[in-house]
Amino acid sequence: EAGVAQSPRYKIIEKRQSVAFWCNPISGHATLYWYQQILGQGPKLLIQFQNNGVVDDSQLPKDRFSAERLKGVDSTLKIQPAKLEDSAVYLCASSLMGWMSGNTIYFGEGSWLTVV
Amino acid sequence: AQSVTQLGSHVSVSEGALVLLRCNYSSSVPPYLFWYVQYPNQGLQLLLKYTTGATLVKGINGFEAEFKKSETSFHLTKPSAHMSDAAEYFCAVSDRAGTASKLTFGTGTRLQVTL
Repeated sequence: EAGVAQSPRYKIIEKRQSVAFWCNPISGHATLYWYQQILGQGPKLLIQFQNNGVVDDSQLPKDRFSAERLKGVDSTLKIQPAKLEDSAVYLCASSLMGWMSGNTIYFGEGSWLTVV
Repeated sequence: AQSVTQLGSHVSVSEGALVLLRCNYSSSVPPYLFWYVQYPNQGLQLLLKYTTGATLVKGINGFEAEFKKSETSFHLTKPSAHMSDAAEYFCAVSDRAGTASKLTFGTGTRLQVTL
């Protein structure tokens, strides 16, 4: 079974530039998450989709971050304009239907962003 | 609101020694608790989870954790450390299951295993 795919793995941009990250969840997984992991901290949820609808985006900085999952499958996270404090690993995760006993949230390998 | 506190950002043990990684949680409702492991340059992998039932939960790679409601703890243990256990470990809590669920993570504990 293929895992959660993310690209690019690494990206270096200058502040005020834009960047986009792509995620393809495990086939059949209805729930998709984007987490931000800053060095030395635990992952923080940015946005959660159920199919192509947003379930939770309360911690997404909407003035500069946007995300979409138009067809309920793959997803794109965009940052525009980037700030130095956006340097982090962006983790995509998916699960069948949220998590429930018997379900697991699977994480991708992450997209590492450095803003200089 | 729920939160997780992991005591000790770095833990060092000798190979073959007991591993103990501490996690305390705060939740207004009965929690669901998780431990994830992250190897360098990789994503997070689920080690084990507590939902309901038996409070001692066994996971992969010989790890186990015990849910203690009275102590609001979910410490992770392994009787004998291997070099391959060196990684970052995250405790997480969720206050619900299903489509609206989300995980709140602690800040992580880096485990170092020495010869």
